Amino acid sequence: DAGVIQSPRHEVTEMGQEVTLRCKPISGHNSLFWYRQTMMRGLELLIYFNNNVPIDDSGMPEDRFSAKMPNASFSTLKIQPSEPRDSAVYFCASRDAGGPPDTQYFGPGTRLTVL
Amino acid sequence: KQEVTQIPAALSVPEGENLVLNCSFTDSAIYNLQWFRQDPGKGLTSLLLIQSSQREQTSGRLNASLDKSSGRSTLYIAASQPGDSATYLCAVLQGAQKLVFGQGTRLTINP
Repeated sequence: DAGVIQSPRHEVTEMGQEVTLRCKPISGHNSLFWYRQTMMRGLELLIYFNNNVPIDDSGMPEDRFSAKMPNASFSTLKIQPSEPRDSAVYFCASRDAGGPPDTQYFGPGTRLTVL
Repeated sequence: KQEVTQIPAALSVPEGENLVLNCSFTDSAIYNLQWFRQDPGKGLTSLLLIQSSQREQTSGRLNASLDKSSGRSTLYIAASQPGDSATYLCAVLQGAQKLVFGQGTRLTINP
């Protein structure tokens, strides 16, 4: 298996622009997680889905952030409008509820820079 | 609110030394504790997972312990190698699937 796939790997944009990050989970996994990593706050859970349904979005910083999972093999995290403080590495992870206990498999991340 | 703290923030040791990384958490109501490794520009790799009912787990040169009542875990690395250089993250699982991470320890092994 190719593992969790994220695109793009790097994104540089200007303040006010819309940014869309993409994630393809491992085939067969039924849970998907979006995390954000910054120097100040470390790694934080933004939102997670079970069977394509958002379960907990309490980590989403504000209304500018939205996430969707239209099917089991694809998810997006959108920021509109983007701000410099959104600059971070965004990770996607997936998990198989029937697999090893509570192990999440992480993608390589998308490094976002908002100028 | 669960808080996870890792000490030290950075550590540099010569090759061959044994070392210990520390992790503490404030709420003992956890399902499990995991240690992850993060290499620059890459995602996280799970190293060891300790269930809340367990005291330790071992994998090769790595040994992780858990004292849930005191809110502490340690990761012991034996006979360190330059390839062990990375950031090590401790995370506790709370609720159904919520991982709460520490800030990490940046480890450098000098040849």
